[in-house]
Amino acid sequence: KAGVTQTPRYLIKTRGQQVTLSCSPISGHRSVSWYQQTPGQGLQFLFEYFSETQRNKGNFPGRFSGRQFSNSRSEMNVSTLELGDSALYLCASSLRGRRGDSPLHFGNGTRLTVT
Amino acid sequence: GQQVMQIPQYQHVQEGEDFTTYCNSSTTLSNIQWYKQRPGGHPVFLIQLVKSGEVKKQKRLTFQFGEAKKNSSLHITATQTTDVGTYFCAGPSSGGGADGLTFGKGTHLIIQP
Repeated sequence: KAGVTQTPRYLIKTRGQQVTLSCSPISGHRSVSWYQQTPGQGLQFLFEYFSETQRNKGNFPGRFSGRQFSNSRSEMNVSTLELGDSALYLCASSLRGRRGDSPLHFGNGTRLTVT
Repeated sequence: GQQVMQIPQYQHVQEGEDFTTYCNSSTTLSNIQWYKQRPGGHPVFLIQLVKSGEVKKQKRLTFQFGEAKKNSSLHITATQTTDVGTYFCAGPSSGGGADGLTFGKGTHLIIQP
């Protein structure tokens, strides 16, 4: 079974630009979560989508948004990039039961550098 | 909001020594999960603990879930160079339902041959 696929692997953008990251979950997984990982803050939850609906959102500004398509593929968008947005963005898929107890399967991530 | 604390942040050991990382949550958890991230890699799920006082073993790794379901530990016996990486614990956010996982900041295991 293919794992979680994230594209692109690396991105370099300048301040003020916007970026779209893509994630294809494991086949059969309907939940896709996004996390931002930085050395200082660690892994921080951005949002989760299940059956095309955003179920939860972390404590990030509105510049961070996402969506999920009917085939469970997901995209996240960051507008008006800031230097502090430089990070590894990780997508994770899961079967995601109601109690949030399904393990997460992470992709390789997209390394975003904002200059 | 909910906090998940991990200690130590860094641990240097000689190859063959044991290693333990501790995880504490500010709230009771329905379950706790452990992940390992190799340098340059992504987090990989190791195990999930659900029951109070639960102990699970995976070869040289022993995982425990506290009686109050607020703390957990991971112990590695006789570390090997392949154990290098960062170990994270994570628990469901305080909403308990469909919230995201709250991750600890991880313990970086550095092994000196």
